[in-house]
Amino acid sequence: EPEVTQTPSHQVTQMGQEVILRCVPISNHLYFYWYRQILGQKVEFLVSFYNNEISEKSEIFDDQFSVERPDGSNFTLKIRSTKLEDSAMYFCASRDAGGQPQHFGDGTRLSIL
Amino acid sequence: AQSVTQPDIHITVSEGASLELRCNYSYGATPYLFWYVQSPGQGLQLLLKYFSGDTLVQGIKGFEAEFKRSQSSFNLRKPSVHWSDAAEYFCAVGASNNNDMRFGAGTRLTVKP
Repeated sequence: EPEVTQTPSHQVTQMGQEVILRCVPISNHLYFYWYRQILGQKVEFLVSFYNNEISEKSEIFDDQFSVERPDGSNFTLKIRSTKLEDSAMYFCASRDAGGQPQHFGDGTRLSIL
Repeated sequence: AQSVTQPDIHITVSEGASLELRCNYSYGATPYLFWYVQSPGQGLQLLLKYFSGDTLVQGIKGFEAEFKRSQSSFNLRKPSVHWSDAAEYFCAVGASNNNDMRFGAGTRLTVKP
């Protein structure tokens, strides 16, 4: 069964540094998402992306965050200047048209030192 | 905006016993409803979904859930729990376009031998 893949599985970064989290959505999917889960807390929506632009974003997704689909397969989340509170598990998800469920990757654990 | 409440933070059941995990949602229109399971250090796996039609939906691993509009609930059930079912369970609600999906805080399930 096709999967959403995320790399790296664990990223350690110094505070203030830029970080890029990478995702390869399922190949025929059209809608892409990023979620965040701070340790021990619930999964929080960050942003959705369709047709090469952001379709919705939450209040968490401030100017420090950006998303990009640089080619036909990758979907990235960039954090420009990381803060300690950005430490979390970041999940990428994708889905096809017609309101089908979102398929999640295994996540990238981001640790900010 | 839609929201989800999972009233039980932690539930412990004996192996072989029945299970019901509660989920209440708030959304003005007919929601898209999901249950996901997360094992430690893993991503989110879809157990089942409700979009429309039959209000009792069957999922993987022997799980089922019932949509009750009058109670704004979508409780997850399993008649006989296995030790491998120990995990965190998340209920989620999506708007009709399935963007901006909101998750509940999760219920951690412990299974006693």
